[in-house]
Amino acid sequence: AQSVTQLGSHVSVSEGALVLLRCNYSSSVPPYLFWYVQYPNQGLQLLLKYTSAATLVKGINDFEAEFKKSETSFHLTKPSAHMSDAAEYFCAVTGETSGSRLTFGEGTQLTVNP
Amino acid sequence: GAVVSQHPSRVICKSGTSVKIECRSLDFQATTMFWYRQFPKQSLMLMATSNEGSKATYEQGVEKDKFLINHASLTLSTLTVTSAHPEDSSFYICSAMPIDRSYGYTFGSGTRLTVV
Repeated sequence: AQSVTQLGSHVSVSEGALVLLRCNYSSSVPPYLFWYVQYPNQGLQLLLKYTSAATLVKGINDFEAEFKKSETSFHLTKPSAHMSDAAEYFCAVTGETSGSRLTFGEGTQLTVNP
Repeated sequence: GAVVSQHPSRVICKSGTSVKIECRSLDFQATTMFWYRQFPKQSLMLMATSNEGSKATYEQGVEKDKFLINHASLTLSTLTVTSAHPEDSSFYICSAMPIDRSYGYTFGSGTRLTVV
């Protein structure tokens, strides 16, 4: 079985500050990990994914995440927050034995203050 | 890049009627599509996994007869909410996985269903 825990349902940062959204996973098999962003009344947009290649994954809009097996973490970071980054962020996991189904975390609402 | 088109984006229907939501992969073939339901301020809840040419696999607690899923081709899956009731009002999102299983899950833009 696989699961994802996102620490902090709400994160608030100032414009220009570092963004750090936390994600810890549990998986009995090598995981594939994803970060998605969702704007109100829209679908999910893929920010980045880890599929057992490089542990530091770079995504769109200057987001990146580092896969740390020892910590079972896949935290999302961005050096400098923009107002347009305000949205809901979801971490998700799947694996070869999961039937390809994604298991999502509960989400983190990011607020960016001017 | 991979694009999934979901239609309609919004629909309002009367209680007791049925509503069909379409999910199309525009530039790739998808043997597997997923249907999710999302309540306000909550995460996505997987309703069913749709495989082309076979019956959908429903998650526990999801009524098969209420949420009919058809995946007739490698580019189209449909979700029909039958005999809709106000409690079916929600945001429904589909996702498609490429045939090469490159784990590039692509999501549709979602459908806001309101049953009045």
